[in-house]
Amino acid sequence: AQSVTQLDSQVPVFEEAPVELRCNYSSSVSVYLFWYVQYPNQGLQLLLKYLSGSTLVKGINGFEAEFNKSQTSFHLRKPSVHISDTAEYFCAVSDGGDYKLSFGAGTTVTVRA
Amino acid sequence: GAVVSQHPSWVICKSGTSVKIECRSLDFQATTMFWYRQFPKQSLMLMATSNEGSKATYEQGVEKDKFLINHASLTLSTLTVTSAHPEDSSFYICSARDWASNEQFFGPGTRLTVL
Repeated sequence: AQSVTQLDSQVPVFEEAPVELRCNYSSSVSVYLFWYVQYPNQGLQLLLKYLSGSTLVKGINGFEAEFNKSQTSFHLRKPSVHISDTAEYFCAVSDGGDYKLSFGAGTTVTVRA
Repeated sequence: GAVVSQHPSWVICKSGTSVKIECRSLDFQATTMFWYRQFPKQSLMLMATSNEGSKATYEQGVEKDKFLINHASLTLSTLTVTSAHPEDSSFYICSARDWASNEQFFGPGTRLTVL
């Protein structure tokens, strides 16, 4: 079984500043890793995913994440945030076998002017 | 891109009634759909996996008789909350796995309020 820990429940950040959201996972098998964004009262939108290959993954809206197998981490970063990046961010892991996703508790990002 | 719709987007019902929520994959076929429940300010909890043409697989602690799932076609899965009670009030989100790409796409969610 796999699990996900998002180390920060809330991250306030000023507009145009960088942001990093931390995610650690545990799994006994190879994993697929995902970051999703959720805007209020909406479903989830995929930001990026790691399946295999390059450990640095680039996604939509200027986000990127780096898979670190030795540290079992998949931290999300953006060099310069906008007000519109205010949302809930979820890290998720799947072992790929049954395609089930296990989600972290989420990180609320609030971008202020 | 692939689109998943849910209907209704919100529903208010009286305690004791049943509510059906539909999840549709609009431009792809989904052999597998997933149903999640999300309480305010919390993460998504997987309730069940719905496979086309077969019985759903429920996660531990989820009552199969209370949350009836039907996946009658490759583009439609339904979740029926039977004899709903106020504690069933939640945000229900479905996702659909595209059989061709294995990618999972999420619906916009359904807000259920039971009075």
